[in-house]
Amino acid sequence: AQSVTQLDSHVSVSEGTPVLLRCNYSSSYSPSLFWYVQHPNKGLQLLLKYTSAATLVKGINGFEAEFKKSETSFHLTKPSAHMSDAAEYFCVVPLSGGYNKLIFGAGTRLAVHP
Amino acid sequence: DSGVTQTPKHLITATGQRVTLRCSPRSGDLSVYWYQQSLDQGLQFLIQYYNGEERAKGNILERFSAQQFPDLHSELNLSSLELGDSALYFCASSVTGAGEQFFGPGTRLTVL
Repeated sequence: AQSVTQLDSHVSVSEGTPVLLRCNYSSSYSPSLFWYVQHPNKGLQLLLKYTSAATLVKGINGFEAEFKKSETSFHLTKPSAHMSDAAEYFCVVPLSGGYNKLIFGAGTRLAVHP
Repeated sequence: DSGVTQTPKHLITATGQRVTLRCSPRSGDLSVYWYQQSLDQGLQFLIQYYNGEERAKGNILERFSAQQFPDLHSELNLSSLELGDSALYFCASSVTGAGEQFFGPGTRLTVL
């Protein structure tokens, strides 16, 4: 069965420094993977998705993620953090290979300090 | 703004009561999903409907039920409420039964 593990529950960075949010996946085949962001008191927004095309995926707001099969990882990065990036980030895998049942990681809360 | 709307935004009720949460999908989307987000369980998939029919079921309690109406809006009914049902309930929609999901802003349910 597919699952995702987010390795950090909280990450704190200074504005202008790089962001790294880590996610490992478990799957018997090459899955689709997503990153979603949840700003305080808001719904979830899709940041980016990997669907077995290019392994480096670019998303919105300057975020990107690299699918590494050898490491079973799908880490989210951004070169320079902005205050507006403070939010909770979820690594997500569909349960069955289709997109209907999404399995969410526990989430990583990103704090950005001036 | 995803185009998915949920009402009400907030709901406060007492244990043992019944509530109904409403979701309107994006225009043209046929599939609706319900998720529960709580502090102890995280974000969990509850149930999916596609064009009026139940398509997939997750960790949905028997006290909870949902339906999708001919105009494609959906309602999640929660009955015999318990303190542990306090959570944020999200609705999402997609064009097909397996497409990218767009999430609504959520309904925050507080059971006192």
